Amino acid sequence: DSGVTQTPKHLITATGQRVTLRCSPRSGDLSVYWYQQSLDQGLQFLIQYYNGEERAKGNILERFSAQQFPDLHSELNLSSLELGDSALYFCASSATGTAVYFGPGTRLLVL
Amino acid sequence: EDKVVQSPLSLVVHEGDTVTLNCSYEVTNFRSLLWYKQEKKAPTFLFMLTSSGIEKKSGRLSSILDKKELFSILNITATQTGDSAIYLCAVGTADSWGKLQFGAGTQVVVTP
Repeated sequence: DSGVTQTPKHLITATGQRVTLRCSPRSGDLSVYWYQQSLDQGLQFLIQYYNGEERAKGNILERFSAQQFPDLHSELNLSSLELGDSALYFCASSATGTAVYFGPGTRLLVL
Repeated sequence: EDKVVQSPLSLVVHEGDTVTLNCSYEVTNFRSLLWYKQEKKAPTFLFMLTSSGIEKKSGRLSSILDKKELFSILNITATQTGDSAIYLCAVGTADSWGKLQFGAGTQVVVTP
């Protein structure tokens, strides 16, 4: 158990819908990261928040957005969902200069 | 363009064998290299190697980083069936700590 928690574990939805994935980082970690893992793209960095502020962005689609709240938990919002958005979404956290620990992931299936 | 390449893509070994996994990288402003083990779901952290720590060991697993030749090796000795997994190599740069670029992974299958 990495100490990073994510909800829900599984999500099934339809194209065009919007979903929210939730993440709580390890105790004391100020950085939260979101990653997407699909069969054809592997593990891809989406976005990082540090203490409530956006710190770095990867190839995150404009339909996707994230935020980090004062209690450090984070949400990833995915809208106008397409079939190709089906993937595993991981949240990870770290302190600066330390290893990055991954949560259990949310498996999203868009039908 | 930054890239992280792992080899082999997959391998099958017998229990007790030694496995050597490779990870080469070409990135700007290298800062760290991390190894993860991924079984059914979440990547589990194994090692982090940086300029100040180029060799790590934990039980049957060990890893080295060659910053001159830009590669890392993960060794697993006396393999067990529980070592069957995908092993991922990831590189972090000065861009942002935790913004990792992952290789495609090496799938290891250990047969009894």
